[in-house]
Amino acid sequence: DAGVTQSPTHLIKTRGQQVTLRCSPISGHKSVSWYQQVLGQGPQFIFQYYEKEERGRGNFPDRFSARQFPNYSSELNVNALLLGDSALYLCASTQFSTGATNEKLFFGSGTQLSVL
Amino acid sequence: GEDVEQSLFLSVREGDSSVINCTYTDSSSTYLYWYKQEPGAGLQLLTYIFSNMDMKQDQRLTVLLNKKDKHLSLRIADTQTGDSAIYFCATGDKIIFGKGTRLHILP
Repeated sequence: DAGVTQSPTHLIKTRGQQVTLRCSPISGHKSVSWYQQVLGQGPQFIFQYYEKEERGRGNFPDRFSARQFPNYSSELNVNALLLGDSALYLCASTQFSTGATNEKLFFGSGTQLSVL
Repeated sequence: GEDVEQSLFLSVREGDSSVINCTYTDSSSTYLYWYKQEPGAGLQLLTYIFSNMDMKQDQRLTVLLNKKDKHLSLRIADTQTGDSAIYFCATGDKIIFGKGTRLHILP
């Protein structure tokens, strides 16, 4: 079975542009989370979606938005890019069905975004 | 808010045991996790512990949980060069990560 897949793997943008990152969860997983990992730091929580509904949002500006589709894939959009948005963007999926407060996250390899 | 803290760097000799420590603030979570990240890669789920357990052993890995002190540790027995990576402690409703501990293996 395929794991979590993300596209593209690398992306270069300039300040002020907009970017869309894509993620497909593991088959059978209904929840997708997005994290931003700046070099030398741990991943920072951005969003979690379950059944197309936003379940949680981290401390990120409104320039960051996301959505989840009926097939459970997801997109992360970032508008008006800043130099500080340069990071590895990680998508993770989880089943979200066992009743645990925080089920295991399975991560993709990420999209490396560079803003020049 | 929720917080997870780890020491940033650990250096051990090949063959010795490595112990990576973590403290956290959110005690309501069902699971606590250890993830491993190798250079240029995403995060790999290494092991996890259910919050009502004190210890879990999985081959060379031992996880210890002290709920009273909100302290989690990961012990890697017989550390090998392939264990060189960054190890992240994670827990919380939305799964919050520490800054990661970089494990360096000395020959």
